[in-house]
Amino acid sequence: GESVGLHLPTLSVQEGDNSIINCAYSNSASDYFIWYKQESGKGPQFIIDIRSNMDKRQGQRVTVLLNKTVKHLSLQIAATQPGDSAVYFCAEIGTGTASKLTFGTGTRLQVTL
Amino acid sequence: NAGVMQNPRHLVRRRGQEARLRCSPMKGHSHVYWYRQLPEEGLKFMVYLQKENIIDESGMPKERFSAEFPKEGPSILRIQQVVRGDSAAYFCASSPVTGDYEQYFGPGTRLTVT
Repeated sequence: GESVGLHLPTLSVQEGDNSIINCAYSNSASDYFIWYKQESGKGPQFIIDIRSNMDKRQGQRVTVLLNKTVKHLSLQIAATQPGDSAVYFCAEIGTGTASKLTFGTGTRLQVTL
Repeated sequence: NAGVMQNPRHLVRRRGQEARLRCSPMKGHSHVYWYRQLPEEGLKFMVYLQKENIIDESGMPKERFSAEFPKEGPSILRIQQVVRGDSAAYFCASSPVTGDYEQYFGPGTRLTVT
């Protein structure tokens, strides 16, 4: 039968390759951005964050890039591992929004062996 | 140092019954947020509370839903007279301060309305 609801875009990557997950945001007043990883049946887990006065931030195996001109955020995962398989969400906090997170649609990352 | 705790993890209710979802924030955190997630979708903000105060409830449905965070005890999200459309995963997050800071999420409560 026909499925109802939004299907998450899926990115398939071979183990050991680099992954790039993209996110577009709409609120130009947003000043704080977070990437979350969500495994099946679990709550979102913090990966990395970036403030609007930065355009790049690096963590362990992950890098977040922020392009405020085109309102685009990306998450780069180096040497992708099977344990990276999950759904990845970007989230933003806008000025004056009392700290509530606005989540993007999400991207499912599938790591193949 | 325990993380955010939610219970129950799974809750089944018949249409018309009440659902109570509990959230204990991380130790030292006084800011609690509730989010709802439908299958294959992102989380949607519902309400933001501090101890004994509702700060922002702009994401809460106008009827049947309420939230509290008493001086003592966990935060409670209450859904009265549940309907099938309330079936979702409900996540609680907490943070130590307001503003641009990481929110730590609990494991969620999966509500199924039959």
